[in-house]
Amino acid sequence: DAGITQSPRHKVTETGTPVTLRCHQTENHRYMYWYRQDPGHGLRLIHYSYGVKDTDKGEVSDGYSVSRSKTEDFLLTLESATSSQTSVYFCAISELSGGYLNTEAFFGQGTRLTVV
Amino acid sequence: KNEVEQSPQNLTAQEGEFITINCSYSVGISALHWLQQHPGGGIVSLFMLSSGKKKHGRLIATINIQEKHSSLHITASHPRDSAVYICAVSNTGNQFYFGTGTSLTVIP
Repeated sequence: DAGITQSPRHKVTETGTPVTLRCHQTENHRYMYWYRQDPGHGLRLIHYSYGVKDTDKGEVSDGYSVSRSKTEDFLLTLESATSSQTSVYFCAISELSGGYLNTEAFFGQGTRLTVV
Repeated sequence: KNEVEQSPQNLTAQEGEFITINCSYSVGISALHWLQQHPGGGIVSLFMLSSGKKKHGRLIATINIQEKHSSLHITASHPRDSAVYICAVSNTGNQFYFGTGTSLTVIP
């Protein structure tokens, strides 16, 4: 199994509080992604990173920020959690081959976040 | 507009049946991925392919680049195959696009 872990696995938090989710990899992959998964939707991209300190927004980035200070860690922060951010969050890693993203994607086990 | 469409959304089969899940995509791709997610579980990569066909055990994945279509077949289905199967493509812009998944239930 690829070395990718998410923490925490479960979290309940109150509306308005900040929350940080951590994704840690041991594969030395350049690309790291944060997705959210909600019923009726496919995985939706929040933010991704293509290297240390290199990040970009995805389709559902409002209310989220990310940081990547080391190759192995990608942090997702909800600055002020809202009930609409209740979801299951997945981290994924991948790497380029021949300049394209045609290697396997590996996913973390997911973080179930509930905002009450 | 969904870049990746899967069908069917839900599928129930009797144990032993041959199962096919279809995936169509509308973007240029560098690879297509089939993923599996068990209830409450993580997401596991089953296949990554950019042409032809791959086989792993009872699972077979095919892709037709010209028609922008892929199929995932499960032979001799088993209750442990019950899961959500997700089709995803990685595009030439180094992004992934995901289908909404096919929920498969295999009844003993």
